[in-house]
Amino acid sequence: AQRVTQPEKLLSVFKGAPVELKCNYSYSGSPELFWYVQYSRQRLQLLLRHISRESIKGFTADLNKGETSFHLKKPFAQEEDSAMYYCARRYGQNFVFGPGTRLSVLP
Amino acid sequence: GAGVSQTPSNKVTEKGKYVELRCDPISGHTALYWYRQSLGQGPEFLIYFQGTGAADDSGLPNDRFFAVRPEGSVSTLKIQRTERGDSAVYLCASSLSANEQFFGPGTRLTVL
Repeated sequence: AQRVTQPEKLLSVFKGAPVELKCNYSYSGSPELFWYVQYSRQRLQLLLRHISRESIKGFTADLNKGETSFHLKKPFAQEEDSAMYYCARRYGQNFVFGPGTRLSVLP
Repeated sequence: GAGVSQTPSNKVTEKGKYVELRCDPISGHTALYWYRQSLGQGPEFLIYFQGTGAADDSGLPNDRFFAVRPEGSVSTLKIQRTERGDSAVYLCASSLSANEQFFGPGTRLTVL
C-alpha cells in the first residue's frame, strides 16, 4: 500500500532550538516528495519539494532513499513556525498525505 | 489574483440527504483535485481532473460520491445518501503542474 507516515502527532520545542519533523514513505519507484504547511486559520500551502533542493523559511528536507525518509529540519525554530506540517508523496497524479505533525514553538 | 474558493464554507445536513460542494479553481489552472480530511488525519485523495475529464477517480470511496467539471473550470463534488461517516472537511486544490497545488479553504460537512 502507498503510505506516508509521520510518527509524531505533536512536537514541542523552544524558540531557537533545532527542530526535525519526521516523514517516512513506502518504497516504490522514484518518489516525489513534498512538505505542506497549514498555519492557524490559513489554508494548506506548499512549503517545499524535494526536487527543488531549496530552503524555505529556513527549512530544508533531504530525501534519503535508503531509509525511505524525507525529514524536515530547521536549525533554529521561531514562534511563527508553529503550525501543522504534512508530508506528501506524489504517485502519478495521485497525492498521498501523511497524518500531519503539529509543531509548537514555545517562547 | 483570487485563490481557490469553495462554497459553502459549512454544510450541515441530515443522514440520507444529497449534497453538492463547489470549487472555483484559480483561473487557467487545468488540474483540479478533491480531497477529504477527517479529524486528526491528513488530506485523503478523492479525484483528479485534467481539464473536463476525471483522469483519476480511484480515491472516491464508493458510488455515492461523484464529481464533475463540465467546462474545465468549476467543479462540483456530489454526495448521495449521505452518511455520518461522510462528515469531514472537503478540500479542493488546483494547479498548472503537479509540482504545486493551491488549496482552497475547504467545506466542512457535518452529517447529523
